[in-house]
Amino acid sequence: AQKVTQAQTEISVVEKEDVTLDCVYETRDTTYYLFWYKQPPSGELVFLIRRNSFDEQNEISGRYSWNFQKSTSSFNFTITASQVVDSAVYFCALSEGGRDSNYQLIWGAGTKLIIKP
Amino acid sequence: KAGVTQTPRYLIKTRGQQVTLSCSPISGHRSVSWYQQTPGQGLQFLFEYFSETQRNKGNFPGRFSGRQFSNSRSEMNVSTLELGDSALYLCASSLEDGRRDTQYFGPGTRLTVL
Repeated sequence: AQKVTQAQTEISVVEKEDVTLDCVYETRDTTYYLFWYKQPPSGELVFLIRRNSFDEQNEISGRYSWNFQKSTSSFNFTITASQVVDSAVYFCALSEGGRDSNYQLIWGAGTKLIIKP
Repeated sequence: KAGVTQTPRYLIKTRGQQVTLSCSPISGHRSVSWYQQTPGQGLQFLFEYFSETQRNKGNFPGRFSGRQFSNSRSEMNVSTLELGDSALYLCASSLEDGRRDTQYFGPGTRLTVL
């Protein structure tokens, strides 16, 4: 069965520190997609990145970087030089692309990130 | 391009009433998904629509229903409201397939049932 685990419930760091949010997933499909979303206090889920199972290349976007490792079924997210505006709940999600899969995202429980000034 | 819009943003109802929430997808997006978010259960999938057809439904009672119109706009309805239905209801749109296409979310409708 498909599952996403974000073991870190809450992380608190001081501004300018680097922080890594962990995401471990389970799926039996060979084709799947992984996502990260950010949910600020306003509630709207903001898309950050999508990765498909055939692309293990790591990605960097400004202060954000993602490390996708199929060998450990992990898709971790690192924020470099964190800022107060990064404070939010971050969700990792999985969708399976097989013919019999559901048309839904499977969500992790989320990690609440607090950046202190 | 305008994002996903949801109306109303806030709603207060009493037990036993029914409610209808509306979602307008990004222009050109034909797939609309609905999710319920609560502190206890997290984000849970309700249903997904494409071309006016429900393609998949989550594990929710029949009191939760939805539909999609020919312009891809979608509504969801909850009948006989219960206290446990208090939640943030999120709508997401994607191009055609919510599995492989990125889902973009609206601001949500916060429903409080008293």
